[in-house]
Amino acid sequence: AQRVTQPEKLLSVFKGAPVELKCNYSYSGSPELFWYVQYSRQRLQLLLRHISRESIKGFTADLNKGETSFHLKKPFAQEEDSAMYYCALSGRGTGNQFYFGTGTSLTVIP
Amino acid sequence: DVKVTQSSRYLVKRTGEKVFLECVQDMDHENMFWYRQDPGLGLRLIYFSYDVKMKEKGDIPEGYSVSREKKERFSLILESASTNQTSMYLCASTGAGERWNEQFFGPGTRLTVL
Repeated sequence: AQRVTQPEKLLSVFKGAPVELKCNYSYSGSPELFWYVQYSRQRLQLLLRHISRESIKGFTADLNKGETSFHLKKPFAQEEDSAMYYCALSGRGTGNQFYFGTGTSLTVIP
Repeated sequence: DVKVTQSSRYLVKRTGEKVFLECVQDMDHENMFWYRQDPGLGLRLIYFSYDVKMKEKGDIPEGYSVSREKKERFSLILESASTNQTSMYLCASTGAGERWNEQFFGPGTRLTVL
């Protein structure tokens, strides 16, 4: 079974502090991992995907197959990073389905 | 830009009513999805469709049905609305083959069942 776990429902950090949103997954094949973000009053949108290996808005995420993790990191949090973040998994064996975690609500305190 | 639109942003219905939620995408995507989004539960897949007239159950299909008569349109139907179906409903689409691996979401429909 495919599963995505985000252990933190709520996360608060001060502006300028590092932030890490945790994501662990369970998948028997080669997964595609994503982070989606939903800002207040906006639609859910893709933040980044592991195959791109890029930094978006200062965020990075590395796929660690040994630990089955895909944690989202940013060295210096900004107020505009406050949002709901979802980790998601898909893969060729999922029948085109995406599996989402339960989400982490990030609040950056000024 | 991919545009995924949903027919209503807010909807209030009464218990027992039949409810239709419409979703339209303009990128010729093969796959379309309906989720409900609830605090603490994340996104849960209700149904998805990988082609016209094709549908697959997701994790929570009970109380829902879907219709996909045209490639660009995917409808979610609540046969007899109940209060526990009060939620935010999100539609999404994605392409097939090399275009399958990003989901584009609509703005959501917040449904309240009284």
